[in-house]
Parts: sequence; C-alpha cells; structure tokens
Amino acid sequence: AQSVTQPDIHITVSEGASLELRCNYSYGATPYLFWYVQSPGQGLQLLLKYFSGDTLVQGIKGFEAEFKRSQSSFNLRKPSVHWSDAAEYFCAVGGAIWDDYKLSFGAGTTVTVRA
Amino acid sequence: NAGVTQTPKFQVLKTGQSMTLQCAQDMNHNSMYWYRQDPGMGLRLIYYSASEGTTDKGEVPNGYNVSRLNKREFSLRLESAAPSQTSVYFCASSETRGYTFGSGTRLTVV
Repeated sequence: AQSVTQPDIHITVSEGASLELRCNYSYGATPYLFWYVQSPGQGLQLLLKYFSGDTLVQGIKGFEAEFKRSQSSFNLRKPSVHWSDAAEYFCAVGGAIWDDYKLSFGAGTTVTVRA
Repeated sequence: NAGVTQTPKFQVLKTGQSMTLQCAQDMNHNSMYWYRQDPGMGLRLIYYSASEGTTDKGEVPNGYNVSRLNKREFSLRLESAAPSQTSVYFCASSETRGYTFGSGTRLTVV
C-alpha cells in the first residue's frame, strides 16, 4: 500500500528566509510524486511533479523538490519565501497500474510567513 | 475551458437527508476520483472510476455511493447523511500523468 508522511504539521518562516518541507513516501514500485498547495478556502494547485529522470524538479512559484530514492523522500524547497506562500502544502504519491492513477496524500504542512 | 466543475459549492444537510454531489470534466479524461478533506488528515480517497463504466472503492467508501454516468460525469451520493460526513469534497480527473482538481464542495451535516 502506498502512503505519505509529512512530519511537520506547522512551520513558521520569516519572509525572505528559505523554506524546506519534508515528505517521506512508501510505495512498492517507482513512484510518481507530487506537491500541491492550497490557499485557505481554495482548491489544490499543482506545484511540481516527478515521474522519472532528473531528480531535482523545478516547479511554479520558485519551488523545487528533490527525489531521493535511498531515503524515500521528496522534499520541497524555496530559497526565499514571500508572504503569499502562506498556505497548506500537500505531498502525494501515486503510480501507474493500467489506468489507475490513485494518489495518496500526506496530512499536510501549514506554512505561516511572518513579516 | 472549465476543467473540473463541482456543484454545489456549499451545502448544509440535516442528519439522515440524502444528496448528490455532481462533478463534470471537459478534458476527456478516463479516470475520475472523489476525495474528502478533513483537518489534519489530508485528502482521502472515497471512490474512483478508472474508466467509463467502472467504479471502485477507495480508502473511506462507507456511507457513499458513486455513479459514472458517462465519460464526463462522476457523481457522489450520500444516502443518509451523518455528522461524520461533514467535510470538504474534491472531485478530480486524470489522464496518464495529469491530475486536475475541482474547487471543492463544503458540506456540513447538522
């Protein structure tokens, strides 16, 4: 069974500081990995995804993530946080079996940005 | 280009009432999904449909039924709503490696 753990429930970071959100996954085959962001009262927006190839993935809004198979991790990073990055972030893992692309989500990390 | 459209956006039900959440996608995707989102639990899969004519249970299917009406539409039905079903419900569709979410339905059962 696939699963995702986001160890940090809540992170507070100063504007302009760097941000790293942790994600560990469990999946029996080659995983498809995703990071989504959700602003209050909104739906989910895809930040980036990893399927294969280069293990450092660039996404929207200046985010990047690195896939480390040996550590079963897919941590999200941003060098300099903006106040608009305050939101909830979800890591998700899925795979491809026939046409079944179910995703399993972590519990989420809430990011607060202080001035 | 609407993507995934969910209706209604908000709903309040009394315990025991029934209702159907509607979802439609215009991207010609084969797979569609229903998730619920609860604080501290992320999104959990309720039901999914890998293709038109098929549906399967996800992680938390109890108390729900689904219908894949055609390739575009995938509805979620609560036959007898319970307060434990108070949640935000998201519909999604996917094709190969692309996943698109609707904007969600916020359901309160009192």
